[in-house]
Amino acid sequence: ETGVTQSPTHLIKTRGQQVTLRCSSQSGHNTVSWYQQALGQGPQFIFQYYREEENGRGNFPPRFSGLQFPNYSSELNVNALELDDSALYLCASSRVGGGADTQYFGPGTRLTVL
Amino acid sequence: GENVEQHPSTLSVQEGDSAVIKCTYSDSASNYFPWYKQELGKGPQLIIDIRSNVGEKKDQRIAVTLNKTAKHFSLHITETQPEDSAVYFCAARGQTGANNLFFGTGTRLTVIP
Repeated sequence: ETGVTQSPTHLIKTRGQQVTLRCSSQSGHNTVSWYQQALGQGPQFIFQYYREEENGRGNFPPRFSGLQFPNYSSELNVNALELDDSALYLCASSRVGGGADTQYFGPGTRLTVL
Repeated sequence: GENVEQHPSTLSVQEGDSAVIKCTYSDSASNYFPWYKQELGKGPQLIIDIRSNVGEKKDQRIAVTLNKTAKHFSLHITETQPEDSAVYFCAARGQTGANNLFFGTGTRLTVIP
């Protein structure tokens, strides 16, 4: 087991609502990356946070936003939910710098949009 | 951006046999290639990784090989056991921007007792 935790485990929302997902990184890690995993697919990169700033973004619209806090934990916010946002949302923590940038994943949050 | 293709999508082997999963990548600048195992209801778990300055790496029953010229890398599992049954993902990381990973579409491995 990695030291990465995510909450909540499951979430059900309706179209148009907003959702906030949370991630606590592994001890000693300073970077959090968020991925979306649709059913039967590999994870897709949403964005990464380093030093409390967005440090890269995948092909996701602005209604996907995030935060990183001084303790390196992070939030993913999704506004105006759409049915296609139903997926497993994964966060991965890593330590950028010194070459030790392997990403360790949390268990994920399963989001269902009705 | 990077594009990672993975084959096969499903693989069934008898317990004790070997399993091989292959991936190709498109960006010659990619320099890091991890493999993850994902069990039902869990997040991906790193099982082995390889960097572009190494051609092969082994950890007990698991090995990974990398051919930079052909831009492909493979996962080899020997002496498979029922607990190896899971979905396996390969990934590649480029050198631009965030050190994000680009994943393959996964291989569902079933080890038949």
